[in-house]
Amino acid sequence: GDSVTQMEGPVTLSEEAFLTINCTYTATGYPSLFWYVQYPGEGLQLLLKATKADDKGSNKGFEATYRKETTSFHLEKGSVQVSDSAVYFCALSAVNAGNMLTFGGGTRLMVKP
Amino acid sequence: KAGVTQTPRYLIKTRGQQVTLSCSPISGHRSVSWYQQTPGQGLQFLFEYFSETQRNKGNFPGRFSGRQFSNSRSEMNVSTLELGDSALYLCASSLSVNYGYTFGSGTRLTVV
Repeated sequence: GDSVTQMEGPVTLSEEAFLTINCTYTATGYPSLFWYVQYPGEGLQLLLKATKADDKGSNKGFEATYRKETTSFHLEKGSVQVSDSAVYFCALSAVNAGNMLTFGGGTRLMVKP
Repeated sequence: KAGVTQTPRYLIKTRGQQVTLSCSPISGHRSVSWYQQTPGQGLQFLFEYFSETQRNKGNFPGRFSGRQFSNSRSEMNVSTLELGDSALYLCASSLSVNYGYTFGSGTRLTVV
C-alpha cells in the first residue's frame, strides 16, 4: 500500500539555521504531495503542495520539490525562526485512493533563540 | 472566510458510551474527511464524504460511522467507546484533493 516515511525527530536547531526534513514515499502512479504543519493544540495547516514531478511547492520561506526519480519531497528552509517550532507532516494523495491522505509519522522541530 | 469548525473542542466520555462529533466545512467545500490522531498510530484516515455519500473508508471497526448533510456539514459517531478511542479527531474539507485540505482544530476525545 501507499506509505510515507519521514525522518524522526525531534530536530533541534538554532535560530537562522538551515532546515531540512526528509520525506520519501511509496505509491502507485503519480501522487500529489503535501507538507502540513501542526502547532500545539491546533489542527493541521497546509504548508505547501506539489501535484506533479519536478513541481516546487513554496510558502513562508519553506520549499519542497517533487522528485519522482528518488520518490522524495524533502522540506527545506534557509533560515528558521523560533516561530517555526511545530510538528511537520509529509503526506500524499494517490490517484487510486480517492481523496484520502496518507501521512508520515511527523517530525517535531524545535528552534532555539 | 470562515475555516473548518469542529465542535466540541473537548469531550470526556466513559467506556461503553457513544459520542457524536460535528464538523462544519468551509462554504462551498463538498468533500469532508475525518482523521484520528494518536501518539502511537499517528494520523489515520477514517472516512470521506462527498455530496452526502461516503466515498472512501479507512480501516476502522464498524463502531465508527459518519454522515454528511445536504449543507455539507458532517458528523461522526463512535459507539461503545473504548479506552483506545481516546484521540484527537480532525475534520478536513476540500474543493478537490489537489487543492489540499483545510483542517479544523479538532475534537479531543478522552475515554475514561
